Amino acid sequence: QQQVKQSPQSLIVQKGGISIINCAYENTAFDYFPWYQQFPGKGPALLIAIRPDVSEKKEGRFTISFNKSAKQFSLHIMDSQPGDSATYFCAATSSNQAGTALIFGKGTTLSVSS
Amino acid sequence: DAGVTQSPTHLIKTRGQQVTLRCSPISGHKSVSWYQQVLGQGPQFIFQYYEKEERGRGNFPDRFSARQFPNYSSELNVNALLLGDSALYLCASSFGPSSYEQYFGPGTRLTVT
Repeated sequence: QQQVKQSPQSLIVQKGGISIINCAYENTAFDYFPWYQQFPGKGPALLIAIRPDVSEKKEGRFTISFNKSAKQFSLHIMDSQPGDSATYFCAATSSNQAGTALIFGKGTTLSVSS
Repeated sequence: DAGVTQSPTHLIKTRGQQVTLRCSPISGHKSVSWYQQVLGQGPQFIFQYYEKEERGRGNFPDRFSARQFPNYSSELNVNALLLGDSALYLCASSFGPSSYEQYFGPGTRLTVT
């Protein structure tokens, strides 16, 4: 049973465009939703995260939108740049998880064309 | 400041062998988690350790074991390697066992032939 579903699997965006990646979760006990960015040959890097008590969080060009009733959250990358080309993973966890085990989506490969 | 460090970077083993992977957390972080990332998939949780005690375990067979040392570094051991164990093994550190922010190391690429 996949607890976090991520879409699309891959995404191609023009430089300067908006990249949007979506995730849906099943476990209503989840209370922390991070996004990670991973470049080839590197470990995932924490990009931005949100708690369910807010509907939106913005850090620079990256914004998380959170819809608690729909159990969905999304990452928006404004003014996408070629350097943003990477694989993005959404994740979720809660204090009820084994330790604070992160449950990851399958990832979205983003390519920003110049 | 140094981030999470892992060693070795790459490793090639034969089926049936045993492997030990090592991780040093960010200075000041006391909790270490291990994840397995198969090519093309998201990381999957294996273990979390805090103060040398196992705080969580994912759905992995008993061939996988880990431990944490007094300096908070950690080792992941995998016995009787299978071809399906080929993956990137990631270590993540966090301040404590209830800290949500986890910071990943570069990983160890294990290839089982």
